[in-house]
Formats: sequence, structure tokens, C-alpha cells
Amino acid sequence: GAGVSQSPSNKVTEKGKDVELRCDPISGHTALYWYRQSLGQGLEFLIYFQGNSAPDKSGLPSDRFSAERTGGSVSTLTIQRTQQEDSAVYLCASSLGREYEQFFGPGTRLTVL
Amino acid sequence: DAKTTQPNSMESNEEEPVHLPCNHSTISGTDYIHWYRQLPSQGPEYVIHGLTSNVNNRMASLAIAEDRKSSTLILHRATLRDAAVYYCILRALHIDKLIFGTGTRLQVFP
Repeated sequence: GAGVSQSPSNKVTEKGKDVELRCDPISGHTALYWYRQSLGQGLEFLIYFQGNSAPDKSGLPSDRFSAERTGGSVSTLTIQRTQQEDSAVYLCASSLGREYEQFFGPGTRLTVL
Repeated sequence: DAKTTQPNSMESNEEEPVHLPCNHSTISGTDYIHWYRQLPSQGPEYVIHGLTSNVNNRMASLAIAEDRKSSTLILHRATLRDAAVYYCILRALHIDKLIFGTGTRLQVFP
């Protein structure tokens, strides 16, 4: 079956520009997570959505980062006024619920020039 | 969050068993032990998890010490495709996110 998909696979942007990253979770998965992986910080949690509950935003590094999940399915991670330190691979994962295994997408590699 | 300690790297030859250790001396009673791995240029993938008893699945086995302060992921016959970074993660029942450490980079030689 179809796994988690993310788009674009690569994004190059200029410092100060806004970017939107998209995640399509596995159908039927109510939980959705965003992580990022950078050379200096390893893999770090950003935000978590579960059904209609308020998202856990505890991992977002600054108010330039935001995410939404429409209709309990697709999610968009938005980074405003990008900085060079935002360069990383942004990974999305979904699961049947928080106690279940997480399935990761291939990631979006973001490069901020 | 309880932390885990893993060796930075390990090596194995193809078709040999591999034992990947993880120390978690501050584990609490509600922490599950999860293992994920990340193949080159891919997102992480789930391998196995357990609480107290040893666990087996099609990918691997998880051996958990009686005091739960350490565990070992066992790959029974390593293949070249098993070359990856293996992450040992403690996850409390009420916690949704995964907190990744630096993991163990496993190299498999033909």
C-alpha cells in the first residue's frame, strides 16, 4: 500500500523567503508528526497532531514555524522568513495512534542559501 | 526524558549475527523500549519494541535485561541491506513523540 509521501523532495530557497512543505499520511492514520534532521542537531521532534485534539507544538524552534492539518489528513509545515540554520531534512510520520509504530516519509531536503 | 546510550558504530560481516546494545539505566516502569533504523537517504523505519519480555518479529529480536536497564537488538543474519543507523528510544506510554539520540551506525561487509 501507499506509504507516507512528502513534497517537494528537494527545496532550495533564499534567506528570508517563506516555504511550505507538504505531507500526505497513510490513509486512516490519525496521528501525524513532523521531525527535522540536521547535521548539527540530529533528528528532532517538531509538532504532533492527533485527531481533532490541539496539536503538541512543543518542538517548534521559533514562531517562524507553523503547521496545520486539514481535514485530519494532509499536513503543511510552513517556515516564514527562512534562515540558513533552517536547512535540514524535514521528515513527516504518521501512525494509527500515539502508541503505535510511526511510519516515516522520505523527507524534504530544504536548503536555505 | 530517560536517556539511552549506544555505541557510535559497529561492524559486521554479511550473514553473521549482530548484537546492538543499548543502555538505559534511568528507565522508568512505564517506558517502552523502541528500536528504529534509518537506511541511507531514507526516513527512519520501525524495527521492534518491547516492555519487559523479549520480543521477536520478522526483522529482529529484542532482548531486555531483567532489570530493564539495558537491551540488545539482535539481527540474526546481517545482510548488506541492514547497514543503517539504529536508534534505541525510550517512549513512555503517555508520550507521543520519539526522541532520537545519535544511534549506532552499523556497517555490514560482504
